[in-house]
Amino acid sequence: DIQLTQSPSFLSASVGDRVTITCRASQGISSYLAWYQQKPGKAPKLLIYAASTLQSGVPSRFSGSGSGTEFTLTISSLQPEDFATYYCQQLNSYPRITFGPGTKVDIK
Amino acid sequence: QLQLQESGPGLVKPSETLSLTCTVSGGSISSSSYYWGWIRQPPGKGLEWIGSIYYSGSTYYNPSLKSRVTISVDTSKNQFSLKLSSVTAADTAVYYCARHSRQQLVDYWGQGTLVTVSS
Repeated sequence: DIQLTQSPSFLSASVGDRVTITCRASQGISSYLAWYQQKPGKAPKLLIYAASTLQSGVPSRFSGSGSGTEFTLTISSLQPEDFATYYCQQLNSYPRITFGPGTKVDIK
Repeated sequence: QLQLQESGPGLVKPSETLSLTCTVSGGSISSSSYYWGWIRQPPGKGLEWIGSIYYSGSTYYNPSLKSRVTISVDTSKNQFSLKLSSVTAADTAVYYCARHSRQQLVDYWGQGTLVTVSS
């Protein structure tokens, strides 16, 4: 089975900061990766799929890149509503759904 | 707009069976493009996929839970259900129902329901 790791597991940042979260796969997964945002008490929300395609309605300050085993989620200018936990998910593990362990973005 | 809503007991005793139902509105559960799944999240922890079902009844389970899980679908009611047997405190979690594609992209989620396992 392919394992996903995320780094850092926690980061503290300020409004306006550029934030980068990394997701690494134990084997190459091409561009089969998605990113989700989860706020406390809420269900996760799809942000990005196919490593870099922004889901409809997601602000353009979010971007994704990478392929193979290393992927990044970047928030170009952190906004107050972006403080949340972010999960990556591999998309080629049919029929299993596998998420990374998460990265919590907190207010500095 | 598609909506999913979980329902079921919020408290289950150890060794008993957890049962939840997800009602889908604003779209058909019989769509050939999608699968319907259950994902859980223990308090303060990450997301764990439990299993999924296709409208035809084909099921796919997380191997770590397979021996205790049954997922079924009722297309006439636009619902699908989860049964998890022999529960322990480790099964305490928020349980989400969700829609996903064959590529496992989860695009719609229920609001989640907290199930506590306690005597």
